[in-house]
Amino acid sequence: KNQVEQSPQSLIILEGKNCTLQCNYTVSPFSNLRWYKQDTGRGPVSLTIMTFSENTKSNGRYTATLDADTKQSSLHITASQLSDSASYICVVTRMDSSYKLIFGSGTRLLVRP
Amino acid sequence: DAGVTQSPTHLIKTRGQQVTLRCSPKSGHDTVSWYQQALGQGPQFIFQYYEEEERQRGNFPDRFSGHQFPNYSSELNVNALLLGDSALYLCASSVTPGNTEAFFGQGTRLTVV
Repeated sequence: KNQVEQSPQSLIILEGKNCTLQCNYTVSPFSNLRWYKQDTGRGPVSLTIMTFSENTKSNGRYTATLDADTKQSSLHITASQLSDSASYICVVTRMDSSYKLIFGSGTRLLVRP
Repeated sequence: DAGVTQSPTHLIKTRGQQVTLRCSPKSGHDTVSWYQQALGQGPQFIFQYYEEEERQRGNFPDRFSGHQFPNYSSELNVNALLLGDSALYLCASSVTPGNTEAFFGQGTRLTVV
């Protein structure tokens, strides 16, 4: 079954600290994996997109990794800021005629001062 | 260059009523996908429009219907509203229904009372 599972469900960290969010997927065939940041009540904003051949990709303080063999990805946030408080959603694209996006339920991150 | 725009941003309807939500895709994009996102959940795929036709559909009843216009903008219609239809409705646009970046609008928050 094509699924995307994220952990933890929620996370609270202090400002300035680092954190890592996890994403495991069973989607096949695999096309790409995306991480989105979604502020409450707003639309998701893309952070990174990685294809099968890419192991890591950075966007400022956000670094995503991908292990296509184990079907795992992580999003590492460095030196967290209050504005990082949001939901982070892992999305996997299935490589077929539909290129359907399959969404995880997200990790809700709260950064406290 | 305008991104994906949705209207209205918020809407309150009564159970049994009908609602129409609108989406203008990012300039240069020709494919529009609609998602329903319940509170605390990841987005659920409703359907996708390309070349003014519904190309894919998720597990949503026929009460959910849509349309795409020649200028690529799109509408989502929901008939006979139920309390469970209360959610954030997201529109995403991309260049052809393929393996390309999807950009999301800010969403329409629908509340059914």
